[in-house]
Amino acid sequence: GAVVSQHPSWVICKSGTSVKIECRSLDFQATTMFWYRQFPKQSLMLMATSNEGSKATYEQGVEKDKFLINHASLTLSTLTVTSAHPEDSSFYICSARELGKARYSNQPQHFGDGTRLSIL
Amino acid sequence: AQKITQTQPGMFVQEKEAVTLDCTYDTSDQSYGLFWYKQPSSGEMIFLIYQGSYDEQNATEGRYSLNFQKARKSANLVISASQLGDSAMYFCAMREGIYGDSSYKLIFGSGTRLLVRP
Repeated sequence: GAVVSQHPSWVICKSGTSVKIECRSLDFQATTMFWYRQFPKQSLMLMATSNEGSKATYEQGVEKDKFLINHASLTLSTLTVTSAHPEDSSFYICSARELGKARYSNQPQHFGDGTRLSIL
Repeated sequence: AQKITQTQPGMFVQEKEAVTLDCTYDTSDQSYGLFWYKQPSSGEMIFLIYQGSYDEQNATEGRYSLNFQKARKSANLVISASQLGDSAMYFCAMREGIYGDSSYKLIFGSGTRLLVRP
C-alpha cells in the first residue's frame, strides 16, 4: 500500500519550455503533498508544501511564479516548471501525506520515484 | 531552527560486516521524529527506520537498527551484515514540530554514500 506515482520519470526539453510533473497517490488520499529538488550528490531540499484545494506554501528562496504547484484533488498534485532553463535541470521528487494517518506515524510521507529534468 | 548533520560524505564497508552511519540533530522541540532513508542510484527514496523522541527503546528493522542517544542528539544508523545491494546514499531526516501540517515536513541531512565491497 501507500504508493505514490510520479510522472514522467525522465524528461529532456529545450530551454524556454514549460514542463509539468504529476504526483499521484494511487491507493490513499493525500491532503498534503511535498515537492523536493535534489541536485547531483546533494540532499533533498523542500521546495513547497501543497494542500488540497488551497495555495501552496513555498520555502524561502523558491520562486512561486517559476514553480507552479496545483493540488486540485486528494490524489493529484502537479508541479509546472515554467520557461525552464538549464539551471532548472535537477531531480524533482514528490511525497504525499496520507489522510488520517496518525501525527506520529513512522512514515509521515510516501515518496514518488522522482523526475529527472534536463533542460538543453 | 532544526538541523540535521551527517559528517560522513562517503563510507566503505566490507561485505558481511557491520557499518555505522552517523547523524546528529539539533532541535528545540521536545517531540520529534527521526528517520533514515536509502536512495539507490535509481533515485527513489526508501524508508528504512524511524525513532520517535519519546521512544525508550532503540528502533530495529531487520538488519537496520538506530542507535538513539537523546542527550547527545545523535541517531546513528547501524547496518549489520552488509550486502552489495546496500550500496546507496543514506539520508537522515527529522520531522519538525508537532502542530499543523508543518509537523509532516522532513528536514534532510546531506547524506552519506555507502559502498559495500565484495
